[in-house]
Amino acid sequence: GENVEQHPSTLSVQEGDSAVIKCTYSDSASNYFPWYKQELGKRPQLIIDIRSNVGEKKDQRIAVTLNKTAKHFSLHITETQPEDSAVYFCAADNAGNMLTFGGGTRLMVKP
Amino acid sequence: NAGVTQTPKFRILKIGQSMTLQCTQDMNHNYMYWYRQDPGMGLKLIYYSVGAGITDKGEVPNGYNVSRSTTEDFPLRLELAAPSQTSVYFCASNKQGIGNSPLHFGNGTRLTVT
Repeated sequence: GENVEQHPSTLSVQEGDSAVIKCTYSDSASNYFPWYKQELGKRPQLIIDIRSNVGEKKDQRIAVTLNKTAKHFSLHITETQPEDSAVYFCAADNAGNMLTFGGGTRLMVKP
Repeated sequence: NAGVTQTPKFRILKIGQSMTLQCTQDMNHNYMYWYRQDPGMGLKLIYYSVGAGITDKGEVPNGYNVSRSTTEDFPLRLELAAPSQTSVYFCASNKQGIGNSPLHFGNGTRLTVT
């Protein structure tokens, strides 16, 4: 089955700096790669996703890149703000209607 | 729309007890899912359903059962609760399956088994 590794597990940045979170996956058949943000005690919320026919996607301060050959994808957050502080999860689809999630990255943005 | 509604929000069970976690959605979504999230970890799929009357196992189905008698409801049953089932349980739904439409999550049920 699919295996998704996520790094780093914690990330601390100064407000205004950029943050990068990286994920690797094992199943070359995966085609869909979403990113979720989860604030403390809240539900996960989709922030951006990318499909295998696209190498990069941007939405304001958030971007995701995908390298299918290397089987890795990354989340980039620019001009970080304190409200970006949360746990971020990457995921990849696999056989059937399944999403395999990474272990999460706790992002702390210091004002 | 209320979206995905889960009840209860919190529950403490003794070892060996059973309970049903309720999940209902009012978005007419065909696909529904149950995930568990252990402390500091990502979500793992327990069971999912592609429509009323159809259910399938996910990554971690042991110790759980589900049913899908209506489009709206997807209850998760725990029989003989064990401490290893202490977790936060999230129900989710989407219209057209993974990759074709976004997942909508409920607010979660925090379960402790002691």
